[in-house]
Amino acid sequence: SQTIHQWPATLVQPVGSPLSLECTVEGTSNPNLYWYRQAAGRGLQLLFYSVGIGQISSEVPQNLSASRPQDRQFILSSKKLLLSDSGFYLCAWFDRSFGNTIYFGEGSWLTVV
Amino acid sequence: AQSVTQPDIHITVSEGASLELRCNYSYGATPYLFWYVQSPGQGLQLLLKYFSGDTLVQGIKGFEAEFKRSQSSFNLRKPSVHWSDAAEYFCAVGLNDMRFGAGTRLTVKP
Repeated sequence: SQTIHQWPATLVQPVGSPLSLECTVEGTSNPNLYWYRQAAGRGLQLLFYSVGIGQISSEVPQNLSASRPQDRQFILSSKKLLLSDSGFYLCAWFDRSFGNTIYFGEGSWLTVV
Repeated sequence: AQSVTQPDIHITVSEGASLELRCNYSYGATPYLFWYVQSPGQGLQLLLKYFSGDTLVQGIKGFEAEFKRSQSSFNLRKPSVHWSDAAEYFCAVGLNDMRFGAGTRLTVKP
């Protein structure tokens, strides 16, 4: 079956520290992968998406970056966190061969202090 | 540029009344279309989706949506709203990218 794992679930980081959120997918190959951020009471903002290994499309020119070192691994990073980076981060995947549905990870709560 | 718009930030309806939530998009080709619902503190639940075929799509919980190519719209409807339908509703649209609207918060009056 198709599953998606995202970690860590909760993170409290000081301003200026680095960030690494990781997402892995099982039960599929060559999916589209996504990173979203959801601020409290707001919609999902698309940050990055990837259609293949090493292929990253950036939607938000901020201090965040994404990488896809393996087919089913998607990483969200920052070298220096800002207070405004606080929020709920969701990894997701989409595969046309699996019912054309967007599947979401459990999410990661990031608080920058 | 690709975009998805939910024009209504907040809608209030009486229990038993009909509901229509609007979703408009701007894409060069017909994208995949989704409606998700999110209750407070909960994850996103898929209500329905469209990618081809019959333009009237039936979903869970009595919801349906109609794809109108000429209007670039995918509006969500329900003939009779229940108090448990109170939640945040998100339209999602995309091809390789998947973009979500800002959401419409539904309040149901008794």
